Amino acid sequence: DAGVTQSPTHLIKTRGQHVTLRCSPISGHKSVSWYQQVLGQGPQFIFQYYEKEERGRGNFPDRFSARQFPNYSSELNVNALLLGDSALYLCASSWVAVNFYEQYFGPGTRLTVT
Amino acid sequence: ELKVEQNPLFLSMQEGKNYTIYCNYSTTSDRLYWYRQDPGKSLESLFVLLSNGAVKQEGRLMASLDTKARLSTLHITAAVHDLSATYFCAVDPYTGNQFYFGTGTSLTVIP
Repeated sequence: DAGVTQSPTHLIKTRGQHVTLRCSPISGHKSVSWYQQVLGQGPQFIFQYYEKEERGRGNFPDRFSARQFPNYSSELNVNALLLGDSALYLCASSWVAVNFYEQYFGPGTRLTVT
Repeated sequence: ELKVEQNPLFLSMQEGKNYTIYCNYSTTSDRLYWYRQDPGKSLESLFVLLSNGAVKQEGRLMASLDTKARLSTLHITAAVHDLSATYFCAVDPYTGNQFYFGTGTSLTVIP
């Protein structure tokens, strides 16, 4: 089975522009979470979606938004890009197992803002 | 504010030696995860620890969890070069799938 897929792999944008990142979860997974990993730091939680509803939001400005589609794929949108938005954006999907949620991470999208 | 701290941040060790990485967290969580990340790559799941006292081993790595002390350890036995990577712990204190990661430990194993 295919793992979590993300597109594009790399992206270069200019300050002030808008970007859309895409994620397809593992087949059968209904939960998708997004993380931002700045170089040299641990991933930071941005959003979690389950069954097309937002279930959690991290400490990120309103410039960040996301949605989940009926096929459980997801998009992360970032408006008015800043230099500090340059990072690896990771998508993770999961299924509900007994008492825990194991997340499987995609390869990431590396965003560079110039 | 939820904090997840790891130490050391950087670790350089010789092949064949043993060492322990520590992960402390500031909130109640019965679930703790360890991930490995190679340079430029995504995260690879190593261990899922689900309860107080849980211990899991895979090859030269062993992880444990003490929820009362809010502490997890990742012990490396007889290190080999292939273990060189950055290791992250993560807690999941809320409804699930909202992981809070530690600062990471960059491990370099020297021949």
